[in-house]
Amino acid sequence: SQWGEENLQALSIQEGEDVTMNCSYKTYTTVVHWYRQDSGRGPALIILIRSNEREKRSGRLRATLDTSSQSSSLSITAAQCEDTAVYFCAPVDTNAYKVIFGKGTHLHVLP
Amino acid sequence: DMKVTQMPRYLIKRMGENVLLECGQDMSHETMYWYRQDPGLGLQLIYISYDVDSNSEGDIPKGYRVSRKKREHFSLILDSAKTNQTSVYFCASSLGSAETLYFGSGTRLTVL
Repeated sequence: SQWGEENLQALSIQEGEDVTMNCSYKTYTTVVHWYRQDSGRGPALIILIRSNEREKRSGRLRATLDTSSQSSSLSITAAQCEDTAVYFCAPVDTNAYKVIFGKGTHLHVLP
Repeated sequence: DMKVTQMPRYLIKRMGENVLLECGQDMSHETMYWYRQDPGLGLQLIYISYDVDSNSEGDIPKGYRVSRKKREHFSLILDSAKTNQTSVYFCASSLGSAETLYFGSGTRLTVL
């Protein structure tokens, strides 16, 4: 398996709270994609972080990457109901040169 | 407009019938993919295509085959469909195999 510690499968929070989703992996990578999938739609890239960035922000999103511990995280600040979705961590396997998808985290933001 | 289009959106077939799922993209991407998504299993890669007639098996290719005769089209074929192939199938494309993937809206296939 290219995955280490099981990533959290489901998470429920109240609107306005901050949330962090963690991802650990076994594959060697210098790039991690994070995708969001809304119900009935295909996944869409929301943030991409490279090893020389360590942290990247996009609006209320913040991603981190620690290649030494083979882990990445995605944080959402002041979550809104519309942030309810499945979030996928997807590191790029440098040796196989392809994107590897995890099982995803179902985030529910309650009003 | 950058778009990946999948047809049909919903499909019901009987066990043993042949199934053709079609995918198109308008971005001239070299790399295209077929995934299936089942509850609790995330996205599983069936096949990856690096260009016309340059296809490679993914993690779960058994029971599937693909065809890519034009860069913008990638088809997934199920010869004699089985009930365990009931799933949601996603097509995606990317400029390179480690670049951003653009996904279609999926085809929900039910095999009775």
